Order: sequence, then structure tokens, then C-alpha cells
Amino acid sequence: DIQMTQSPSTLSASIGDRVTITCRASQSITIWLAWFQQRPGKAPKLLIQKASTLQSGVPSRFSGSGSGTDFTLTISSLQPEDFATYYCQQYASLSRTFGQGTKVEIK
Amino acid sequence: EVQLVGSGGGLVQSGGSLRLSCTASGFTFSSYTMNWVRQAPGEGLEWVSSISTTSTQYYADSVRGRFTISRDDAKNSLYLQMNSLRDEDTAVYYCAKSDCGDDCRLTDYWGQGTLVTVSS
Repeated sequence: DIQMTQSPSTLSASIGDRVTITCRASQSITIWLAWFQQRPGKAPKLLIQKASTLQSGVPSRFSGSGSGTDFTLTISSLQPEDFATYYCQQYASLSRTFGQGTKVEIK
Repeated sequence: EVQLVGSGGGLVQSGGSLRLSCTASGFTFSSYTMNWVRQAPGEGLEWVSSISTTSTQYYADSVRGRFTISRDDAKNSLYLQMNSLRDEDTAVYYCAKSDCGDDCRLTDYWGQGTLVTVSS
């Protein structure tokens, strides 16, 4: 299986901060990477697919980049509703594995 | 609006069985691959199973041979039959829609989840 490693596991930030989360795959997944946001007690929400394509309705402060094995999710100016846990997921292989998650907390 | 409503979760003894259901609305159910993804308490996400529009089934190694995914397009419903349940199957199980038909691995909408608790 392809292993996905996110960093950091927890991130403390303030409103208005620029935040970057990284995700590394154990082998190349080209651009087959998605980012999800999960608020407490809620289902995950798809933010970005194909590494950098923003889903309809997702605010433009979210952006994704990368290809191959290294990817990033950036929130350009953190808003109160962005405090949540973020997961990357590769869908290059049948097993479509997730990263362990990055919790974005209020500083 | 896409809606996915899961049901059938509950408390079951280790070794027991449970059948989860998911009722879909807001899209043409028969045209999309459907999935189950689970999340153990306080843990991350784990893909469990998928079923294509032609009912081809795919399973994670951790559940293969114990779980069976199925769909009824006439009822806009997805199912997960879970047998020989283990403690480590305790999780919230999410029903999720893929963003296309066959060989489609990206999920774009998720239901609210149904909790399965396996007790030994």
C-alpha cells in the first residue's frame, strides 16, 4: 500500500495567519491527491482534487500544490471556520490511503 | 442537493453481524461508484469498500472476506453486510459518493456516518 505522511500532526495558528500543511507519499502518485476538511462531529468535506483543483464553493483562500510524492495545502488567511482537521488522500491506487490528519487549532 | 443518509449502526458482540444501509438522493445514484469509509474513535480515515456502477466490488485487506458491499439502484441504496466483526471494526462508517462512474476512486460527498460498536 502507498503510505501517506502528513506534517505537522497539530498546528496552532491565529486568525489571519498563513498556514501550510504538507503531505508526502511513499511512492509517486502523480497528481492523484485530494484534501479533505473535517470539523468535529461532522463528515469530511472535499476541498481539493488532482492536487490543486479547488472544488466548487470552496473559498479561494485554500490552495493545493505538488506532484509526484510531495504536496502542500495552504490556507492564505485563516478564518474561524477553518479550525478543523485536514486529511490528504491518494487515489492513485485501489487502496486510496489517507494521511493521519493535521489538526489546526486556535493559538 | 446530494444527500446520503446512513443507518443500521449499533452495538454488536465480537463475532456478530450487522448490515449498514445508505439511502441517496439529489443525484442519479445508478451512475456513480459508491463507497464506505470508516473512522475509529479519535482516529483517522480508512477506506473500506467500493462498488462500481456495474457492481464490481473492491475491499480493503482488513475487511476482505468478512464484509460484502452491495447496491440496489431501484431503491437508491447502498449496503454493507459486516460479518465476523472484531473489536477493531468499531468506528463511524461513512457512506460516500464517488465523482464518476467506473474505476472512480475520488469521493466528493459523504453522509453523516453511522456508529458501529463491537464489544467483546
